[in-house]
Amino acid sequence: DAEITQSPRHKITETGRQVTLACHQTWNHNNMFWYRQDLGHGLRLIHYSYGVHDTNKGEVSDGYSVSRSNTEDLPLTLESAASSQTSVYFCASSEGTGGEKLFFGSGTQLSVL
Amino acid sequence: GESVGLHLPTLSVQEGDNSIINCAYSNSASDYFIWYKQESGKGPQFIIDIRSNMDKRQGQRVTVLLNKTVKHLSLQIAATQPGDSAVYFCADSGGYSTLTFGKGTMLLVSP
Repeated sequence: DAEITQSPRHKITETGRQVTLACHQTWNHNNMFWYRQDLGHGLRLIHYSYGVHDTNKGEVSDGYSVSRSNTEDLPLTLESAASSQTSVYFCASSEGTGGEKLFFGSGTQLSVL
Repeated sequence: GESVGLHLPTLSVQEGDNSIINCAYSNSASDYFIWYKQESGKGPQFIIDIRSNMDKRQGQRVTVLLNKTVKHLSLQIAATQPGDSAVYFCADSGGYSTLTFGKGTMLLVSP
């Protein structure tokens, strides 16, 4: 069955370190998204991609970057981790363009100490 | 699906009751609406969606109602079960925009 997987499931890092969260989907979807989820804020869009070599900033993109070198993967990099980036991160993918049903991964719990 | 501070709105029901979870959206140009269920420690799971050319859509034990006049969306769950306990999110989008998520409502089902 097609799926979307995130790794690691849990990560603890220190302030100032570079961290990369992985996202891999086997749906062959063009669109991929990264969200962070914090209590009181719901799901907020960080970055998204509509295809290979395409990346776009979302609502809360500062301090994050993504790259899309193939259809299956959209890694999320925190250039210099900050305590404010402690959160649960979800990757998602969709088939269509723009607002369409998203398929979510299981999430990565990131703690920045 | 509005939240107050750090606490999610919570709906508590008895097993077997019908549940209604409400959501307000703000973008009058939105034409696609979707509900997700999120269990503790898991990613959001798709429940049901609806486009703006409809005002009602039914799935298995779930119904989504859309009132575009007042920009309101609701999710009805029939014969609620303990396994329905989760946080429920609505989301909307217009044209080619990305989905905008509400802050969620927690549903607690007691046996």
